[in-house]
Amino acid sequence: GAGVSQSPSNKVTEKGKDVELRCDPISGHTALYWYRQSLGQGLEFLIYFQGNSAPDKSGLPSDRFSAERTGGSVSTLTIQRTQQEDSAVYLCASSSQSGGGGPDTQYFGPGTRLTVL
Amino acid sequence: GESVGLHLPTLSVQEGDNSIINCAYSNSASDYFIWYKQESGKGPQFIIDIRSNMDKRQGQRVTVLLNKTVKHLSLQIAATQPGDSAVYFCAESYSGSARQLTFGSGTQLTVLP
Repeated sequence: GAGVSQSPSNKVTEKGKDVELRCDPISGHTALYWYRQSLGQGLEFLIYFQGNSAPDKSGLPSDRFSAERTGGSVSTLTIQRTQQEDSAVYLCASSSQSGGGGPDTQYFGPGTRLTVL
Repeated sequence: GESVGLHLPTLSVQEGDNSIINCAYSNSASDYFIWYKQESGKGPQFIIDIRSNMDKRQGQRVTVLLNKTVKHLSLQIAATQPGDSAVYFCAESYSGSARQLTFGSGTQLTVLP
């Protein structure tokens, strides 16, 4: 079946430009997460969406980062005025948790590799 | 802050041998643990998970052990195959964290022919 998809797979941009990264979660999954993975490192949590609730933005590194999720499905992560330190792989994950009970498995997309020159 | 970390950054094993990848965590409130496998250029792939009310859980060729006393997690891979070569991450979460995962830095497993 279809997994989490992300686009573009690679993005090269110049310092100071804005970028938008897209995530299509698994159909029916109510929870969506964005993570960032720097070279050779583990994943760093950025933001979490659950249904129609207000997103948990506690992991966003600065106000240049924002994300939205339209219609409870597709999500877009926007980075404004990109800096070289924003270069990383941005990963999206989704899970089927309903908001109660225990955690459900997060399934990851292939990621978007962002390079800021 | 509390974090999840791995004991060894690299591990090389002979094909057919068993592999053991270790992970230490420091957040005593963590109640859910996951192992992910990540191949080059791909997103993390779920391997196996375990809740804090369990000590052991087995999957196909993989076993996860949880020792809450010393806050230690391990992943055992039986009869390691070349396709098992990848970076392995442990991750933890607790119900009070919106279920966001905290990842360790990863262990590179290399299977030797």
